[in-house]
Amino acid sequence: KQEVTQIPAALSVPEGENLVLNCSFTDSAIYNLQWFRQDPGKGLTSLLLIQSSQREQTSGRLNASLDKSSGRSTLYIAASQPGDSATYLCAVRTGNQFYFGTGTSLTVIP
Amino acid sequence: EAGVAQSPRYKIIEKRQSVAFWCNPISGHATLYWYQQILGQGPKLLIQFQNNGVVDDSQLPKDRFSAERLKGVDSTLKIQPAKLEDSAVYLCASSLEATSNEQFFGPGTRLTVL
Repeated sequence: KQEVTQIPAALSVPEGENLVLNCSFTDSAIYNLQWFRQDPGKGLTSLLLIQSSQREQTSGRLNASLDKSSGRSTLYIAASQPGDSATYLCAVRTGNQFYFGTGTSLTVIP
Repeated sequence: EAGVAQSPRYKIIEKRQSVAFWCNPISGHATLYWYQQILGQGPKLLIQFQNNGVVDDSQLPKDRFSAERLKGVDSTLKIQPAKLEDSAVYLCASSLEATSNEQFFGPGTRLTVL
């Protein structure tokens, strides 16, 4: 069974700092990997989707990479802002199932 | 473009009662998902529909949970009877197709079972 791990569980950084969030998965036979953010009491907002054949995706200050063979993905956030404070979740699709990590709670301090 | 709609947003019931959640996906999205998110955990997929057919319900506790998507658009998820451990946020998501497409989530329904 696919297992998805996110490290660290929580992260606190000063505004303006660049940061990296990590996601690892045990089964490399994935269709895609998606990064989400979740604000308290709200649903998930899609940030980036990487297909299994791709190495990275970029959107604004966000860049996500995928190394399927090693079972790893990173989400890079440049020039962090207080509005980036949220929980960041990664999810992989294996077969018909989606597996989520438990998330990284990010706090950006003004 | 309207997003995924869910109702109600909050529900409080006593154990052994029944409850139903409703989801309306983004227009044109063939695939619909129901997830359960327990506090402090990532979402767990309960059931996936492609149009009005079930693709995967391997993690749905079928003795008490049921879901339907009769006309391939709206969907309802029912719990009967509810247990304390069903307290969670129930999230609905949709995508254009199943395999490679991005999922879009609704705001969720927070269920508290007393």
